[in-house]
Amino acid sequence: EVQLVESGGGLVQPGGSLRLSCAAFGFTFNNYAMSWVRHAPGKGLEWVSSISNSGDTTYYAESVKGRFTLSRDNSKDTLYLQMNSLRAEDTAVYYCAKRLRYREDAFDMWGQGTMVTVSS
Amino acid sequence: DIQMTQSPSNLSASVGDIVTITCRASRSIRSWLAWYQQKPGKAPKLLIYKASSLESGVPSRFSGSGFGTEFTLTISSLQPDDFATYYCQQYDSYSDTFGQGTKLEIK
Repeated sequence: EVQLVESGGGLVQPGGSLRLSCAAFGFTFNNYAMSWVRHAPGKGLEWVSSISNSGDTTYYAESVKGRFTLSRDNSKDTLYLQMNSLRAEDTAVYYCAKRLRYREDAFDMWGQGTMVTVSS
Repeated sequence: DIQMTQSPSNLSASVGDIVTITCRASRSIRSWLAWYQQKPGKAPKLLIYKASSLESGVPSRFSGSGFGTEFTLTISSLQPDDFATYYCQQYDSYSDTFGQGTKLEIK
């Protein structure tokens, strides 16, 4: 089945770290750019970070730049988001999403989401 | 960053109605705009890409139009399954941005 499966979310204290993973199934992972998008409670969708299909280019939202690191392991068909220095405002459901065709493109496939709660 | 402004934020309509949601970009994004539908507790679902291209499997009652800075999503005959929140997304720059969402509710 073609799908994305996220894991790694949870409760963490402010200043703490988490690593999210997104496993891809049913498509040629290394052909596609990937991203993370988050949805904070009561708010809209927010793009977080993107990575090229080869992994050599990454982009970050200003709100996470310097704290989050996006990477991928194409041999394992897996995307990672290392989140450091977490803040309360990072609390959200985090979705990994696949680009339709190009590095900048719509997202045609989304995971089920993993909840990250930053609280003391 | 490119700002995306959606209107209205909330919309009440009845089954069978025609509804239109508008999205305005703070500068030209050519045709690099997508529309998504999201239901509570679920991931967003792609409806329209490149402003007017219908994603595979999406009912033809959904349509998109526009170019540059102004875009619309039209649902031609509302069905019970269409009551959800809708978001536009620009992907003209490497820093994607979403509109704030339009919540479509049953009148």
